[in-house]
Amino acid sequence: KQEVTQIPAALSVPEGENLVLNCSFTDSAIYNLQWFRQDPGKGLTSLLLIQSSQREQTSGRLNASLDKSSGRSTLYIAASQPGDSATYLCAVSDSGTYKYIFGTGTRLKVLA
Amino acid sequence: DTGVSQDPRHKITKRGQNVTFRCDPISEHNRLYWYRQTLGQGPEFLTYFQNEAQLEKSRLLSDRFSAERPKGSFSTLEIQRTEQGDSAMYLCASSPLGQWGNEKLFFGSGTQLSVL
Repeated sequence: KQEVTQIPAALSVPEGENLVLNCSFTDSAIYNLQWFRQDPGKGLTSLLLIQSSQREQTSGRLNASLDKSSGRSTLYIAASQPGDSATYLCAVSDSGTYKYIFGTGTRLKVLA
Repeated sequence: DTGVSQDPRHKITKRGQNVTFRCDPISEHNRLYWYRQTLGQGPEFLTYFQNEAQLEKSRLLSDRFSAERPKGSFSTLEIQRTEQGDSAMYLCASSPLGQWGNEKLFFGSGTQLSVL
């Protein structure tokens, strides 16, 4: 059974810092991994999608890497801003099913 | 492209009542998902539609839950005889039907259900 874990559960950093969020999954047979952002009381917004054959994806100040064999992904946020404050979730598309399995998220607060 | 729309945004009901939620996906998206999220947790998969066909349903979903997607457009999720444990945010997501593994999920803002 696929399980997704995110560390840390919460993170508070001063504005301008670079930071790394971690995601690990137990079964390496995945189609892709997605990173999402969720603001309080809102739905999720997809940030980056990494296909199983890819190693990383970049969008602006965000960079996500995938090491499928070790079951790990990282989301790197450069020069963090207060507007980056949100919960960040990773999800893997479970091979052999149609479902995405989500982690519990990392709650990020960037202090001005 | 108006995004994924969910209605209502909030629903308060008494235990034992039936409730129905609606999701309108992005118009050209063939894939539609329902998820449930409780405070501090990640979304939990409920069911998946490809066009009008319900191809997967979570084993965690009791018989009180049913979902439909007539004509492959909007979808409804009904919960019968609601229980307090059903209180959660119900999220709908859609994605285009392309090469599996290469489609981003687009989520609606969710329906927050409170069962008293």
